Amino acid sequence: GAGVSQSPRYKVAKRGQDVALRCDPISGHVSLFWYQQALGQGPEFLTYFQNEAQLDKSGLPSDRFFAERPEGSVSTLKIQRTQQEDSAVYLCASSSAGRAATQYFGPGTRLLVL
Amino acid sequence: GNSVTQMEGPVTLSEEAFLTINCTYTATGYPSLFWYVQYPGEGLQLLLKATKADDKGSNKGFEATYRKETTSFHLEKGSVQVSDSAVYFCALSESNAGNMLTFGGGTRLMVKP
Repeated sequence: GAGVSQSPRYKVAKRGQDVALRCDPISGHVSLFWYQQALGQGPEFLTYFQNEAQLDKSGLPSDRFFAERPEGSVSTLKIQRTQQEDSAVYLCASSSAGRAATQYFGPGTRLLVL
Repeated sequence: GNSVTQMEGPVTLSEEAFLTINCTYTATGYPSLFWYVQYPGEGLQLLLKATKADDKGSNKGFEATYRKETTSFHLEKGSVQVSDSAVYFCALSESNAGNMLTFGGGTRLMVKP
């Protein structure tokens, strides 16, 4: 079956531009996560949805970062007024409910801010 | 807060050598533990997991045992292959924290023929 998909796969933005990153989770998965992975490092948690409710956004690095999942399926991560330090790979993962449910990751969006 | 520490790479081995990648963790509660793998050009995928103390996760010849007394979850494989070359990430999650994953920094494994 279809896995988690993300678009675009690559994005180059000029500093100060707004960007929107899309995640299509596995159908039926109630939980959706966003992570940020800097080069050569492990992914770091950004935010988490259960259905359409954003239950944790403690990892968002600034108020320039905003995520939504209005119908409990597709999610969008938006970054306003991008800065060079926002350059990273943004990973989306989805899972079913339940303790230690396996998270399935998308291929990521590589963002480069010039 | 929670954290995961794993040995830095790269780890370079010859084919059929024994592999150990160390992973230790700090958690406020009783976490579940995971190993994820990222093959070149591919996304992160679950390799194995363990949800309680003394559980052993295994897959594709890899094993890791949840050691609560030493807060460790070391990854082992008896005989590595060139196709095992990848970056390996140790991670934990806690159900009372929304099951978000806390990752270690990753260990790159290079297996030479």
